[in-house]
Amino acid sequence: DIQMTQSPSSLSASIGDRVTITCRASQNISSYLSWYQQKPGKAPNLLIDVAFGLQSGVPSRFSGSGSGTDFTLTISSLQPEDFATYYCQQSHSIPLTFGPGTKVDIK
Amino acid sequence: EEQLVESGGGLIQPGGSLRLSCAASGFVVNNKYMSWVRQAPGKGLEWVSIIYSGGSTYYADSVKARFTISRDNSKNTVYLQMNTLSAEDTAVYYCASAGTFGVFDYWGQGTLVTVSS
Repeated sequence: DIQMTQSPSSLSASIGDRVTITCRASQNISSYLSWYQQKPGKAPNLLIDVAFGLQSGVPSRFSGSGSGTDFTLTISSLQPEDFATYYCQQSHSIPLTFGPGTKVDIK
Repeated sequence: EEQLVESGGGLIQPGGSLRLSCAASGFVVNNKYMSWVRQAPGKGLEWVSIIYSGGSTYYADSVKARFTISRDNSKNTVYLQMNTLSAEDTAVYYCASAGTFGVFDYWGQGTLVTVSS
């Protein structure tokens, strides 16, 4: 099974900050990596599929990069609605696996 | 607009069975990869099962041989039959669809399954 790790597990940031979250796969997954945002009590929401880019309707302040084993989600200028938990997920192979999540809260 | 609505969750005793339903609208379920993903209270996301458009099914090791995913094309609905439930299965269960394998672009609101005596 492919293990996904994320760092940091949580971070505190201010409005307008640039935020970077890292995701690492235990083996080469090419570009089969997606990022989701989840707010409390809500279903996850797909932000980025690294291979195909930003999902429709997702603000351009979100970007994703990487390939192989190392990936990054960047929020260029943090907005109030961005405070949430972010998960990476590999779709290279079954079983599909998620990272443990990164909680972004207000400093 | 694509929409997924789960139902069937509730309180069940250990060892019991439950069937979750995921009713889809705005698209045809047998044209997409349909999955169940769960989230235990205060925990992260865990993929549970997937059914391909061709009908192939796969499961996480944690539920293999206990859970069965299926699809009724006439009702445009996906199901998750869960047997021999234990406390470790307590979670919100989300139905999710993927046009591209494993990329979940639509999610339901989730249904809570609580396994407790």
